[in-house]
Amino acid sequence: GAVVSQHPSWVICKSGTSVKIECRSLDFQATTMFWYRQFPKQSLMLMATSNEGSKATYEQGVEKDKFLINHASLTLSTLTVTSAHPEDSSFYICSARDRASGGAYEQFFGPGTRLTVL
Amino acid sequence: GQNIDQPTEMTATEGAIVQINCTYQTSGFNGLFWYQQHAGEAPTFLSYNVLDGLEEKGRFSSFLSRSKGYSYLLLKELQMKDSASYLCAAGWGGKLIFGQGTELSVKP
Repeated sequence: GAVVSQHPSWVICKSGTSVKIECRSLDFQATTMFWYRQFPKQSLMLMATSNEGSKATYEQGVEKDKFLINHASLTLSTLTVTSAHPEDSSFYICSARDRASGGAYEQFFGPGTRLTVL
Repeated sequence: GQNIDQPTEMTATEGAIVQINCTYQTSGFNGLFWYQQHAGEAPTFLSYNVLDGLEEKGRFSSFLSRSKGYSYLLLKELQMKDSASYLCAAGWGGKLIFGQGTELSVKP
């Protein structure tokens, strides 16, 4: 149980284009999903917290107009990197918290999406 | 905010025991997680401590002292496949705040 998928697993795009990454909770409902970015040899940096049916909460320094997050259902959140540039190349990981877990902090992580912007 | 500190890298020998330490700020703390991450993959859950003491799970154990803002992950009978990054994360303000990760290399 508690499986989270991400699609695509990797993507290469040209500078200036937009890329959408999907995060799905496959066997549970997730009221809250999180988006992280990880650069090589570094830890996970939280970008934003996404709650179903409401606007995402972005961490300091993360541009909300560049990283668009939509959490339209209890099993799907999307991250769109708009007008991507080479410095946006990174490993993007989503996680989800099980609605049934109440106040528990445990998050289930997706397999990640490797974005390369040329 | 929350500041998580752990060593950047460690090296140990196959079959040995290694302890990875983690310190955090205690204000607003809501539990301590340890994750394992292999290169290019997502983190996988190892342990969760919310009360003081030692939690043992097979070869892996995790310890927490809330008053000291201190945790450690203990890995016994090290295997080559244990070479990975180990991430300490504190629950805080509804989020998980991650340390920079400890890169563990297990050598024969």
